[in-house]
Amino acid sequence: DTGVSQDPRHKITKRGQNVTFRCDPISEHNRLYWYRQTLGQGPEFLTYFQNEAQLEKSRLLSDRFSAERPKGSFSTLEIQRTEQGDSAMYLCASSPYGTGSQYFGPGTRLLVL
Amino acid sequence: SQQGEEDPQALSIQEGENATMNCSYKTSINNLQWYRQNSGRGLVHLILIRSNEREKHSGRLRVTLDTSKKSSSLLITASRAADTASYFCATDRQETSGSRLTFGEGTQLTVNP
Repeated sequence: DTGVSQDPRHKITKRGQNVTFRCDPISEHNRLYWYRQTLGQGPEFLTYFQNEAQLEKSRLLSDRFSAERPKGSFSTLEIQRTEQGDSAMYLCASSPYGTGSQYFGPGTRLLVL
Repeated sequence: SQQGEEDPQALSIQEGENATMNCSYKTSINNLQWYRQNSGRGLVHLILIRSNEREKHSGRLRVTLDTSKKSSSLLITASRAADTASYFCATDRQETSGSRLTFGEGTQLTVNP
């Protein structure tokens, strides 16, 4: 399967713990995006990379959130000191160029207790 | 903030009937994309229509775009129970070209066998 993959698919953590999610985009895609989706809502943009450069961050991405894409391939999203309000589905997408279709992974569902 | 607004929020039809979902948006766009999401899963890309296109087909899907009215519609013909899902429109806005998609809140489609 050459689609976007995400790991883990599910994560349960206690409030105050740190969590890290990984996204592997489609190999020839140089753009990678992170979105967050809460129940009953559409996805909301968090941040995106072109190759290894993080070009934009949403105001939703507080100081507790950090994302990296060190070699322009896979990306990680870390949440420090998790809060119950961080519970959501975290979606990763990739695209071959700026105004092309974005292809999404299966998501990581986070539950903060 | 969510730019796209889908209408209706929920739609229930019988298998074999056609389903029409509408999407409105507020700002100038490069393209508009439709996605399907089964419960608890990632988003599946259905179709992309560019701002200079008025209609596009893909299998049982027909998408129209009216940039003067800032609206789009997705028609699924001869619906099947497997089409039951949430459907989202997402816009690639000119002001944030290629950096993000802006999603609506989705239409929940139920196709009854």
